[in-house]
This record gives sequence, structure tokens and C-alpha cells, in this order.
Amino acid sequence: AQSVTQLGSHVSVSEGALVLLRCNYSSSVPPYLFWYVQYPNQGLQLLLKYTSAATLVKGINGFEAEFKKSETSFHLTKPSAHMSDAAEYFCAVSGAGTALIFGKGTTLSVSS
Amino acid sequence: GAVVSQHPSRVICKSGTSVKIECRSLDFQATTMFWYRQFPKQSLMLMATSNEGSKATYEQGVEKDKFLINHASLTLSTLTVTSAHPEDSSFYICSARGQGTQVPNSPLHFGNGTRLTVT
Repeated sequence: AQSVTQLGSHVSVSEGALVLLRCNYSSSVPPYLFWYVQYPNQGLQLLLKYTSAATLVKGINGFEAEFKKSETSFHLTKPSAHMSDAAEYFCAVSGAGTALIFGKGTTLSVSS
Repeated sequence: GAVVSQHPSRVICKSGTSVKIECRSLDFQATTMFWYRQFPKQSLMLMATSNEGSKATYEQGVEKDKFLINHASLTLSTLTVTSAHPEDSSFYICSARGQGTQVPNSPLHFGNGTRLTVT
């Protein structure tokens, strides 16, 4: 069965600092992986997706993620954090059906 | 494109009453929609897969008689929480893939969620 594990429920960075949010996956087949962002009391917005076309995936708002099969990882990064990046971030993998299976989420805090 | 609208965004109801949540795909037809539930500070848990014109597929542990799902058209799925109790208070989010993208490598598009509070 497919699953994802997000390491670190809470990450705090200073404005302008590197953002690194960790996600490891488990899948018996080549995975399809996604990162979503959620702002308070809202739905989820897609940041980026990995579908095997390229291992380095660029998304919206300056985020990118690198798929590393050897490490079964799909970590999300952003070179310079902005205050508006403060939100909840979810890593997800396509499940056996067509739904997505989500990690537990990582809260990103950005301080000035 | 691929906009999903969910209504209401917030609802407060009394224990024992029923609440209906609507999920619409505004600019595409969705043969399949997904309903998730999210507890505070927790992840999204898949409740059920809603299939247009057929019965929903519920995840293990989800009471199908309590959470009634109807997907009567290609643009509308509804979730009715019947005989609601305080423990049903949660954030409910619907989602769908865009038209013609019913494959695992395409992303889900989410509604803005419904905050249900049962008093």
C-alpha cells in the first residue's frame, strides 16, 4: 500500500531563509507524488507534482521538490522564505484507487 | 480551470439534525469526487469516493448510513451528515480531478471546505 511520512510536524524559519520540508514515501509501484498547501479554514492548493517526467519538479510560489528514488524521498524546498509562506503543507501519493493519500502535514512558521 | 466549489463554508447545527454539504465542479465534469474529513491539526482522511450515477465507495470505518453521499450529476456531489452529533464536528473537504484526467498521476482539485460544528 502507498503511504507518505512527513518528518517534522512543525518547521520554523526566518524570513529569507531556506525552507526544507521533508517527505518520504512508500510505494510498491512507481509513485505519483504531490505537495499541497493549506491556509487556515481553506481547501488545498496544489504546489507541484511528480509524475516521473523529471526528478526535479518546479512548482508555484518558488517551491520545488526533488524525487530521489534511492532515498524514497520527495522533499519540498524554497530558497528564500516569505511571510506569506506560513501555512500547512501536505505531501501526498496516489493510492490504489484514484484518491490521494496524505501525510500528516507540516506547519511552516516564518518569522521576521 | 478545474474549479471546485463547496457550500456552505461554515455551518452550525443542533445535535440530531442533518446537514447537507454540496460540492460542485464549476468548469468541468467530474465523474468521480472524493470526500475527506480533517480534524484540527491533523491530516486529511479519505471518507468516500463518490461516483456519478452509482453508489459511493466508503473507506473502512466510515458509516455509510451516517454520511450519505449522492452524486446525481457530473457536476454535483452532496454529503449529508445525518443525525449529527458533536463528534461529527470537523472540517469536510471535497475534491475532484479535472475532466478527462481520471488517472493517478493527475492532481486533485479541492473545494474550500466546510466547517461543521454540532452543538
